This record gives sequence, C-alpha cells and structure tokens, in this order.
Amino acid sequence: GDSVVQTEGQVLPSEGDSLIVNCSYETTQYPSLFWYVQYPGEGPQLHLKAMKANDKGRNKGFEAMYRKETTSFHLEKDSVQESDSAVYFCALRKLMNYGGSQGNLIFGKGTKLSVKP
Amino acid sequence: DVKVTQSSRYLVKRTGEKVFLECVQDMDHENMFWYRQDPGLGLRLIYFSYDVKMKEKGDIPEGYSVSREKKERFSLILESASTNQTSMYLCASSLRATLDTQYFGPGTRLTVL
Repeated sequence: GDSVVQTEGQVLPSEGDSLIVNCSYETTQYPSLFWYVQYPGEGPQLHLKAMKANDKGRNKGFEAMYRKETTSFHLEKDSVQESDSAVYFCALRKLMNYGGSQGNLIFGKGTKLSVKP
Repeated sequence: DVKVTQSSRYLVKRTGEKVFLECVQDMDHENMFWYRQDPGLGLRLIYFSYDVKMKEKGDIPEGYSVSREKKERFSLILESASTNQTSMYLCASSLRATLDTQYFGPGTRLTVL
C-alpha cells in the first residue's frame, strides 16, 4: 500500500546548523509530494510542495527535491533558526481522481524540529 | 484567508458519553476531513466528505461517525467515548479542484476519563 516514511522522530540542531529531514515514499503511481508544518498550538499548514518528478518546492529558506529514482522528498535548509522549531509532516497524494479516496493525503509520522539557541 | 474553526480547544468527557466535535469552514470548500493526531503515529484519517450528506471512511473509522448536513459544517461523533479515543482531533478542508492544499483547524484536545 501507499506509505510515507520519516526516519527521525526528532532532530535537535543548533541555530545556524544545516538541516536535512528525511522523507521516503512508496506508491504504485506518480504522486504529488508535500511538506506540512505544525507550530505549537496550531493545526498543520502547507509548507511546500512538488507536483511531479524533478520539481523543487521552496518556502522560507527550505527546499525539497522530488526524486523519483530514490523515491525521496527530503526537506533541507542551509541555516536553521529557532523560529523554525515545529513538527514537520511529509505527505503524498496520488494522481487526482475525482471523488473517492484516491485524492486523499497520506502523511508520515512527523519529525519534531527543536532548534537550540 | 481560509478559516477553519473547531468548537472546542479542550474537552473532557467520561467513558460511555456521546461526544460531538464540530468543525466549520468559511471558504465554501467542498471537501472536509477529520483526523486524529497521536504522538509517534502522525495524522490518521478518520472520515472525509466530498459533498453535503456524503461521507466516506478513512483509515480508522471504528468507533466514530460523521454528519455533514451543510456544506460549511462537518461533525465528528463518538457514539460511546472510550479512553483509547483520548487524542488530538484535527479538522481540515480543501477545494475540490485542489485536493492537495488542506487547511486545518487548531485542533480539539479530547480527554476521555
């Protein structure tokens, strides 16, 4: 079945460190890929997305490249800030099929980013 | 801005009680979703709806039901609450044409004693 795997439950970089948060996916179709971010006390919100292979999503200094050959969508940032601290969810959606469950998002378990000042 | 509101931020109920969680969105979205969020398990889909009076089961529907009588409102019902339903419940909505961007409410933290 379709799945999204985030290998780290929590990462603890210091401010100014570079960051990679891993995301791998498994599906029989060519999905669209997303990162959602959840700040404390809030619901998740869309952070960035890539709709097809070799697309790169970008937002607020974060980037993620849709790599079909390695079925990955890792989230990267050159220099993290304390304000980036949040929970990050990777998600996939298969090609849109009007109605039914094919259009639903499938989420990973989330990675908590705690940036030390 | 899209706004998704949930009726309560915190709720405490007793085992066996019937619990209603309400969600309202103000952007005329066709699609609405209910998730539960548990530490280490991420977001799991309970039920979703693509239209008024329409509902479909998600990945973990057991013990829950839903109601969508109006386009803007989607209710989650726990017929007889149990302690294993203690969780954070998140509602979301999206436009039919852009199923990718889901807009989430702030969540309801439900504790069942």
